Amino acid sequence: DTGVSQNPRHKITKRGQNVTFRCDPISEHNRLYWYRQTLGQGPEFLTYFQNEAQLEKSRLLSDRFSAERPKGSFSTLEIQRTEQGDSAMYLCASSRRLAGAYNEQFFGPGTRLTVL
Amino acid sequence: EDQVTQSPEALRLQEGESSSLNCSYTVSGLRGLFWYRQDPGKGPEFLFTLYSAGEEKEKERLKATLTKKESFLHITAPKPEDSATYLCAVHSGYSTLTFGKGTMLLVSP
Repeated sequence: DTGVSQNPRHKITKRGQNVTFRCDPISEHNRLYWYRQTLGQGPEFLTYFQNEAQLEKSRLLSDRFSAERPKGSFSTLEIQRTEQGDSAMYLCASSRRLAGAYNEQFFGPGTRLTVL
Repeated sequence: EDQVTQSPEALRLQEGESSSLNCSYTVSGLRGLFWYRQDPGKGPEFLFTLYSAGEEKEKERLKATLTKKESFLHITAPKPEDSATYLCAVHSGYSTLTFGKGTMLLVSP
């Protein structure tokens, strides 16, 4: 299977701890996105990369959140000093960028974070 | 700011009972409208992309249509395996998607 993969699938942590999630995109995709989804809501955009460059960040992304894509391949999303409000499904998606077109994003299975 | 509103929030159908889901949008320059299917505990699965008013796309029992203000996802003779949440998203001048809250569809045998 060459789809988007995410690890871990589930993470339970205590308030105040740091957590890190990993996303491996589809190999030929140069764009990578992070979203957050809570129950009954659609995914909300957090940030995206084109190759290794982080090009856009949402206002939702507080200073406790940081994302990297060091070699333009996999990406990590770190949340420092977790709060109960951070509990959500964190989704990663990837797409190809073609000149003059917007390509569909393909999503991974998500990482479900529970902050106790 | 882009806005996407989906209706109804939930829909219960009997197997074989056709219906439509609605996605109304407000964007400054639509560059694409996307439909996704999401099963519980999983990531969204891509279904369709529509780019301009009048465009239609079909896949098995699903057909998506687009006007200047809304999109419809028509489900013909649904089966229980079509039960899922259907998400609509728009892309305007930015490189990200704005999603609606989704319509939860339950098809009973």
